[in-house]
Amino acid sequence: NAGVTQTPKFQVLKTGQSMTLQCAQDMNHEYMSWYRQDPGMGLRLIHYSVGAGITDQGEVPNGYNVSRSTTEDFPLRLLSAAPSQTSVYFCASSYSTGWGNEKLFFGSGTQLSVL
Amino acid sequence: AQKITQTQPGMFVQEKEAVTLDCTYDTSDQSYGLFWYKQPSSGEMIFLIYQGSYDEQNATEGRYSLNFQKARKSANLVISASQLGDSAMYFCAMRVNQAGTALIFGKGTTLSVSS
Repeated sequence: NAGVTQTPKFQVLKTGQSMTLQCAQDMNHEYMSWYRQDPGMGLRLIHYSVGAGITDQGEVPNGYNVSRSTTEDFPLRLLSAAPSQTSVYFCASSYSTGWGNEKLFFGSGTQLSVL
Repeated sequence: AQKITQTQPGMFVQEKEAVTLDCTYDTSDQSYGLFWYKQPSSGEMIFLIYQGSYDEQNATEGRYSLNFQKARKSANLVISASQLGDSAMYFCAMRVNQAGTALIFGKGTTLSVSS
């Protein structure tokens, strides 16, 4: 059971380049979200999705785009990378229990450096 | 706006002792969920415990318990009988209202357990 798979694990970009961080889950989870983790800042919510075709912005959405065309995939796009986007990126998914106690299943993260 | 505050950047404890990690939150919602996650040096995110705002009893999961004081808006994590393997970063988080299961996180507390 793969769970939440993020690719690539490491990436180095030059300022202005674009790229897509991939996130796929095989648990049929309806909810997915993207976070970035910076030293001393904890994890900050970038974008989230409550189902296929539905996405919305989190705390720090600027510079990032997302789409959710299938239940399984939730890619994060950097249109024009900036050094401020150097970070570790986590994708997470979960299902609804109806009780509000849904824990997140996290991917292993992508370490991105923008030079 | 919702907010999570963790005021302890680092905590030190000896093996077998108990330790409390502080978390305060701010929300105008009546119904909300609070979570604690552990992040060891390997980088993975591990769910520890959940507390719902309407739960009458404090949550417990093995050596982890949550000291939930609703009037003070605090949700402190108590780890009993600390072990060397408890050394990690700990994050308090709150479910984002109307965002499925997406979370906002505090900045985290680094716990160091010594023998």
